[in-house]
Amino acid sequence: KAGVTQTPRYLIKTRGQQVTLSCSPISGHRSVSWYQQTPGQGLQFLFEYFSETQRNKGNFPGRFSGRQFSNSRSEMNVSTLELGDSALYLCASSFPDQFSDGPYNEQFFGPGTRLTVL
Amino acid sequence: AQSVTQLDSHVSVSEGTPVLLRCNYSSSYSPSLFWYVQHPNKGLQLLLKYTSAATLVKGINGFEAEFKKSETSFHLTKPSAHMSDAAEYFCVVREPGAQKLVFGQGTRLTINP
Repeated sequence: KAGVTQTPRYLIKTRGQQVTLSCSPISGHRSVSWYQQTPGQGLQFLFEYFSETQRNKGNFPGRFSGRQFSNSRSEMNVSTLELGDSALYLCASSFPDQFSDGPYNEQFFGPGTRLTVL
Repeated sequence: AQSVTQLDSHVSVSEGTPVLLRCNYSSSYSPSLFWYVQHPNKGLQLLLKYTSAATLVKGINGFEAEFKKSETSFHLTKPSAHMSDAAEYFCVVREPGAQKLVFGQGTRLTINP
């Protein structure tokens, strides 16, 4: 079974531009979560999508948005990029049963997209 | 709110010696706790998870962790370190009823030959 894939792996943008990152979950997984990793703030939760609906949202400004398609693929968008948005953006997918603590709640992470804002 | 504190930002051990990475958690509920590992330029890989079934949890690559409610701790151990264990390790708690993971700041593990 293929793992979580993220494209592109690397991006360089300039301040003020916008960027779209893509995540393809493991086949059969319907939940996709996004995380931002920076040296200063560590790993922080951005949002989670399930069946094309945002279920949870972290504490990030409205410039950060996302969506999920009917095939469970997800995109996140960052508008009006700032230098501080430079980070590794990680996507994770999991099986649909979120209310159980069984094996289906494990989140599988992709390799990430490294975004550099100049 | 859930939170985790990793007590050491960097741990250095010699190959073949035991590894101990410390983690304390704060949770109003019975927590779901995890340890993830991140090798350089790689994504995160789940080492093990605690979900109230057993207090001693065994994971991959010889790692294990013990949940101690009285001490609010979930320390990660391995009897004998291997060079391939060098990586960043994250203690993580999951928000109840949600897929939101709250990460500790990470512990960088260095293995000396």
